[in-house]
Amino acid sequence: DIQMTQSPSSVSASVGDRVTITCRASQGIRTWVAWYQQKPGKAPKVLIYAASTLLTGVPSRFSGSGSGTDFTLTISSLQPEDFATYYCQQSNRFPLTFGGGTKVEIK
Amino acid sequence: EVQLVESGGGLVKPGGSLRLSCAASGFAFSSYSMNWVRQAPGKGLEWVSTISGTKSDVYYADSVKGRFTISRDTAKNSLELQMNNLRAEDTAVYYCARDLDYGLGSYFFDQWGPGTLVTVSS
Repeated sequence: DIQMTQSPSSVSASVGDRVTITCRASQGIRTWVAWYQQKPGKAPKVLIYAASTLLTGVPSRFSGSGSGTDFTLTISSLQPEDFATYYCQQSNRFPLTFGGGTKVEIK
Repeated sequence: EVQLVESGGGLVKPGGSLRLSCAASGFAFSSYSMNWVRQAPGKGLEWVSTISGTKSDVYYADSVKGRFTISRDTAKNSLELQMNNLRAEDTAVYYCARDLDYGLGSYFFDQWGPGTLVTVSS
């Protein structure tokens, strides 16, 4: 199985800060990575797929990069509505696997 | 508008069975792979199962293989998950999720239902 290791597990940041979350795959997965945002009590929402493609309607302050084993989600200027938990997910092969999550908290 | 609504969750004893359903509307249901993803209380996301639009391809997580069966009813626009021999560790919110890609599966999830809670406890 492909393990997805996310870091950090949590980050405290202020509105306006730049936040970077990383995800490392246990083997090469080309660009078969998506990033999701989840708020408490709600279903996840996909932000980015294929490592760097932003879903329609997702603010441009979100960006993704990487290929192979190392991937990054960046929020260029954190907004109040961005405080949430973020997950990466690989779809290179089954079983599909998620990272452990990164909770972005208010500083 | 795309809508996915799960039902069928509840409290069940260890070893018991439960059948989850997901009613889909607002899109060409038969053209998309569909998935179940679960989340144990306070934990992260765990993929459970995927079924292709043609029903010819089915995949399961090792943790549920042999106990869970995914199916779909194109006439009813419904996704199902039959869960047998339930264990305490199956306790979770179960989400129905649509594949992002029309036709060929990308196995990313772009539409999610609100989830249904399954609690396995004596």
